[in-house]
Amino acid sequence: NAGVTQTPKFRVLKTGQSMTLLCAQDMNHEYMYWYRQDPGMGLRLIHYSVGEGTTAKGEVPDGYNVSRLKKQNFLLGLESAAPSQTSVYFCASRETGGVYGYTFGSGTRLTVV
Amino acid sequence: GQQLNQSPQSMFIQEGEDVSMNCTSSSIFNTWLWYKQDPGEGPVLLIALYKAGELTSNGRLTAQFGITRKDSFLNISASIPSDVGIYFCAGRQGGSEKLVFGKGMKLTVNP
Repeated sequence: NAGVTQTPKFRVLKTGQSMTLLCAQDMNHEYMYWYRQDPGMGLRLIHYSVGEGTTAKGEVPDGYNVSRLKKQNFLLGLESAAPSQTSVYFCASRETGGVYGYTFGSGTRLTVV
Repeated sequence: GQQLNQSPQSMFIQEGEDVSMNCTSSSIFNTWLWYKQDPGEGPVLLIALYKAGELTSNGRLTAQFGITRKDSFLNISASIPSDVGIYFCAGRQGGSEKLVFGKGMKLTVNP
């Protein structure tokens, strides 16, 4: 059981480049989330999805887009990367009802130079 | 946005000591969660709390949902080196799909 898998694990981008971060979960979870983690800032919600085909903005959505075409996948896109987007990105998922705990991936460390 | 105030920000303790940390908010939360993050990994759920006043244990960890619903506490007893990491509190307000996280408490345990 892989849980939540994030790819890639590391990436360096030049300012203005684009990229997509992939999150895949094999637990049949309805809800999926993208967070960014910065030193001293904790985890901040970027976008989330309550089901296939749905997305919603979180606390810090600017500069990011997301898509949830398949239930098991949640993609986070950066159209024109900026140094301020240097961060560690975490994807999480949870099931409907039950224990309200998220299962997190192991993160993607992104550096924008 | 909504913030959780987590304290202390860091602690350095000797193996075998107990450690306490807390999380407070100006708003009411319906759910409190405590997570631990190891270096290079994502947070892992330790304890979930759903009722005001609830006291829940998980091995050497004990957490409480504050009676005012605006705070929560986590205690670790008889610390061991593998307790090292960052501990996060998180809360969910009624009707919200989102968790709000504290900024974390970095724990160092000296053998």
